[in-house]
Amino acid sequence: DAGVIQSPRHEVTEMGQEVTLRCKPISGHNSLFWYRQTMMRGLELLIYFNNNVPIDDSGMPEDRFSAKMPNASFSTLKIQPSEPRDSAVYFCASSPTSYTGELFFGEGSRLTVL
Amino acid sequence: AQRVTQPEKLLSVFKGAPVELKCNYSYSGSPELFWYVQYSRQRLQLLLRHISRESIKGFTADLNKGETSFHLKKPFAQEEDSAMYYCALTPTSGSRLTFGEGTQLTVNP
Repeated sequence: DAGVIQSPRHEVTEMGQEVTLRCKPISGHNSLFWYRQTMMRGLELLIYFNNNVPIDDSGMPEDRFSAKMPNASFSTLKIQPSEPRDSAVYFCASSPTSYTGELFFGEGSRLTVL
Repeated sequence: AQRVTQPEKLLSVFKGAPVELKCNYSYSGSPELFWYVQYSRQRLQLLLRHISRESIKGFTADLNKGETSFHLKKPFAQEEDSAMYYCALTPTSGSRLTFGEGTQLTVNP
């Protein structure tokens, strides 16, 4: 298994543009997490899904952020419109069950908003 | 609410010296605690969990409920230990994993 796959690995965009980040979890995992990593705040949980259903989206910064998981093998995190303060590394992670602390992370998508 | 605090953003030691990365947490129940590590140009990965009571790569961590701490220790640091370390907490009843701010460890030759 190639592990959790994220795309794009790097994205540079201008303020106001729409950004879509993609994630393919490990096959058979039923929980999926989106995290944002910044120097100041470390790793922040944005949202997580269990069996494709959003369970907790309290970490989503504001209405500009949205996440979907249309099926067990694909999820997207969308930012519209993007702002410079959204610049960060966005990680997707998956887990085989809902009640373990072991997450399997992707390599991250580094977003720069100019 | 659950919270994890890592008071040191940067920690630098010399090879062979002991190292301790501090982690404090706040949670009203009985959480599960973890340490994750991110080596340069690698994925974030689980290093160890408190329920396993194991030593991984020479690292150990003891959960101290009285002090609500879960410090990571290694008696003799190696250069390959240089990495970003995250302490994390999850409630035993749920899957939300909360991370601390991270500590960048540098082991100098």
